[in-house]
Amino acid sequence: AQTVTQSQPEMSVQEAETVTLSCTYDTSESDYYLFWYKQPPSRQMILVIRQEAYKQQNATENRFSVNFQKAAKSFSLKISDSQLGDAAMYFCAYPNDMRFGAGTRLTVKP
Amino acid sequence: DAEITQSPRHKITETGRQVTLACHQTWNHNNMFWYRQDLGHGLRLIHYSYGVHDTNKGEVSDGYSVSRSNTEDLPLTLESAASSQTSVYFCASSEVGGNPVDTEAFFGQGTRLTVV
Repeated sequence: AQTVTQSQPEMSVQEAETVTLSCTYDTSESDYYLFWYKQPPSRQMILVIRQEAYKQQNATENRFSVNFQKAAKSFSLKISDSQLGDAAMYFCAYPNDMRFGAGTRLTVKP
Repeated sequence: DAEITQSPRHKITETGRQVTLACHQTWNHNNMFWYRQDLGHGLRLIHYSYGVHDTNKGEVSDGYSVSRSNTEDLPLTLESAASSQTSVYFCASSEVGGNPVDTEAFFGQGTRLTVV
């Protein structure tokens, strides 16, 4: 079975600063997607960003970007200029088998 | 607007009782999923379905069952509720993806189940 690992249960960042959330995964597939979801206190799940393994360029969505290292099976999420509304649980996901990591709770300090 | 709804939002039940959690989506998605969310474990897949009359076990399926009689609904049944099944349950749906799977999952608001 594929696995998705998030080794940081909690992270904290000062407002306007940058934070990176880590995710590693295991797969025998050569092509796949990876997703980051955000879950604010409302419990709603929101897709933040996605990356295809075959694309050389790291995905970017406004203040959110990824550092995808295929050989290392690493897929980290960078949030720039952090805002209070970024406070949430963040989940890394491997959609081929719909597996999620354990999540990282991000706190943003004013 | 299309949506996915879960009911009830909160439920308290007693050990040994049968419980059914409802999930209804109006996206017309073929794929539907049930997860449980527990602190330290993230989202763990319980059961999933790729279409009507199709059901499959996920990584934590023991004590749970599902049936898919139409596209819109995937009810989750706890056959005999146990305290270890106290959790927040999420239903999700997605379009049939490409190869590799690239489709976003849309989630319900969750059901908080307490087994006492």
